[in-house]
Amino acid sequence: NAGVTQTPKFQVLKTGQSMTLQCAQDMNHNSMYWYRQDPGMGLRLIYYSASEGTTDKGEVPNGYNVSRLNKREFSLRLESAAPSQTSVYFCATRDSSYEQYFGPGTRLTVT
Amino acid sequence: GEDVEQSLFLSVREGDSSVINCTYTDSSSTYLYWYKQEPGAGLQLLTYIFSNMDMKQDQRLTVLLNKKDKHLSLRIADTQTGDSAIYFCAEKMGANNLFFGTGTRLTVIP
Repeated sequence: NAGVTQTPKFQVLKTGQSMTLQCAQDMNHNSMYWYRQDPGMGLRLIYYSASEGTTDKGEVPNGYNVSRLNKREFSLRLESAAPSQTSVYFCATRDSSYEQYFGPGTRLTVT
Repeated sequence: GEDVEQSLFLSVREGDSSVINCTYTDSSSTYLYWYKQEPGAGLQLLTYIFSNMDMKQDQRLTVLLNKKDKHLSLRIADTQTGDSAIYFCAEKMGANNLFFGTGTRLTVIP
């Protein structure tokens, strides 16, 4: 089992460009999450999806959109990237005991 | 959101004990967690504690919870170089989410 996979691993964008970060899980978990990690700020929740077909805003949703395509996949889209969105992005899933399982991360730089 | 605070850095010598501290503000949190992040990787769950417990021990790890002071600590006995990582505490918020602290970077000096 692959667990939680994310693509791409690295990405460089110019200001104003758009891109979609992909996340997939094979653990049959209902809940999926997108976080960003910045130095000294820990992980901050961008969006989450409690189940297929539902999404909710987290702490820092501005500038992002998400799609829960099916139970396996949860994508994060930046429509018009800004330098403030330079960060490491983590996707995670949650099991019934509230343990979260994290992907390896996507390192995004916006110039 | 709630503030979950941790010191940013901790250095210890190999073989010593490490104690990583965390304070949280939501007294209704039912689960509190410790996650470990190794360089270039995602977070992995180390251990967790229910809010009705004071202490949990798991091999070299001891978690202490002081609900009155909203203080959580993680003690690592006989710290090894492989324990060097960033450690995050997190509290369960609502039905679905975790709220993470800022992380403590533990450096183990050989």
